[in-house]
Amino acid sequence: GAVVSQHPSRVICKSGTSVKIECRSLDFQATTMFWYRQFPKQSLMLMATSNEGSKATYEQGVEKDKFLINHASLTLSTLTVTSAHPEDSSFYICSAMEGDYGYTFGSGTRLTVV
Amino acid sequence: SQKIEQNSEALNIQEGKTATLTCNYTNYSPAYLQWYRQDPGRGPVFLLLIRENEKEKRKERLKVTFDTTLKQSLFHITASQPADSATYLCALDLQTSYDKVIFGPGTSLSVIP
Repeated sequence: GAVVSQHPSRVICKSGTSVKIECRSLDFQATTMFWYRQFPKQSLMLMATSNEGSKATYEQGVEKDKFLINHASLTLSTLTVTSAHPEDSSFYICSAMEGDYGYTFGSGTRLTVV
Repeated sequence: SQKIEQNSEALNIQEGKTATLTCNYTNYSPAYLQWYRQDPGRGPVFLLLIRENEKEKRKERLKVTFDTTLKQSLFHITASQPADSATYLCALDLQTSYDKVIFGPGTSLSVIP
């Protein structure tokens, strides 16, 4: 089945620094990938839709200058959290769809900003 | 306003019984409705998808129903096992100008041996 690899699984960074999270589709090409964040005991909130070769589509309330998304190839999308602050600490998850049947999610990245 | 609601309380059931989880939505018109399982600290895992023109879908011990009039989906796990304990998320695929999937808050299921 489809596999989406997300890296790193955990990262701790200092306030004010930037962190890059990678999301790769391992055995299929994904023209579209999705980025979510999830706070403890809450559901997934869609942040943006990443489109290969074009600009990402951000959901209302998500700062595009803070959460930079790049989808440079059919198998890789990256999310960069710039000038991270403690309130950005969260669980970030990417997903992609193969064919016409459900979405495959990465294993998530636990970001802690100290 | 638009919203998706799932069982408000955590669900505890005895092993071997059938677990029934509900998903209700308001002011959405999903083309598909999906169910996912999520374990702590992990990404969701896709379980089942049901289309707007389908009433019921089955997969092994899982059954999903979809009533677009009631704007409700029911998710059943028959012969439940402790390994089924997890959070279950329903998700609406809105099929807008781009694929957009909106998740419900999830229901925590505990199957007691």
